[in-house]
Amino acid sequence: ETGVTQSPTHLIKTRGQQVTLRCSSQSGHNTVSWYQQALGQGPQFIFQYYREEENGRGNFPPRFSGLQFPNYSSELNVNALELDDSALYLCASSFGVRGHDRYEQYFGPGTRLTVT
Amino acid sequence: AQKITQTQPGMFVQEKEAVTLDCTYDTSDQSYGLFWYKQPSSGEMIFLIYQGSYDEQNATEGRYSLNFQKARKSANLVISASQLGDSAMYFCAMRDGGSYIPTFGRGTSLIVHP
Repeated sequence: ETGVTQSPTHLIKTRGQQVTLRCSSQSGHNTVSWYQQALGQGPQFIFQYYREEENGRGNFPPRFSGLQFPNYSSELNVNALELDDSALYLCASSFGVRGHDRYEQYFGPGTRLTVT
Repeated sequence: AQKITQTQPGMFVQEKEAVTLDCTYDTSDQSYGLFWYKQPSSGEMIFLIYQGSYDEQNATEGRYSLNFQKARKSANLVISASQLGDSAMYFCAMRDGGSYIPTFGRGTSLIVHP
C-alpha cells in the first residue's frame, strides 16, 4: 500500500507567478484535502475534493484552485503568488467524506513553497 | 465557530518519562471528534489518536492516551515512556460531526532529552 506523495518537495517562485503542486492519494482513497501551514502555525484548510468535485472550501481567495483526476490524484494551483503564500502545503487523503466520525486523513510530506 | 487552544509552545521531557500536552477546545456542537497529530521535522502529519465526543472511555493507542474531560472541554495527550523519536511538533485538532473540515491548534513543540 503506497502512502500519500507530493511533488515537488521544495519550490521557489517570484511574486506574481503561478504554481502547481501535485498530490497522489493513498491507494483506495477517494478524497483529497489541501492545507496551508505557515511557519509556526497549524494547518489551515484550503479545500477538499471528493470524487473529482470540490466538496468544501476554507477561507482562501479564488486564486487558489484545484483539480482531482479520475485516479483521485490532485493538483493545487495558486495564481498571482503573494509573499504571504510562502508556506508548507500539505495534502491529505482519506476514504469518504462524512458519516464516518473517525475518518482518518493520511498526510503527505508536503511541498515547501517560498515566494520571493 | 470552532477553536482549538494549545497553550504550551514548547515542552521538554526526559527520556522514559511521561509527558502531557494540553489542548482545550470550544464548540457549541454536541457531536465532534478530537484528533492529535505528530509532525516531525520532515513535515508529514502523522495521525496519533482519535476521541469521539460520545465515547465514554478515554482513547488509547499504544503509548498515547487522550485524557478527555468533556465538561472542561479539554483533550490532553499523554505520552508514556517518552522516546527520543517523540521529539516533534504535536497538533490537536477538532472536527464537528457534520463537518469534514478539521480545525488545528498552533501546536506544541516537544523535545525529549536523553
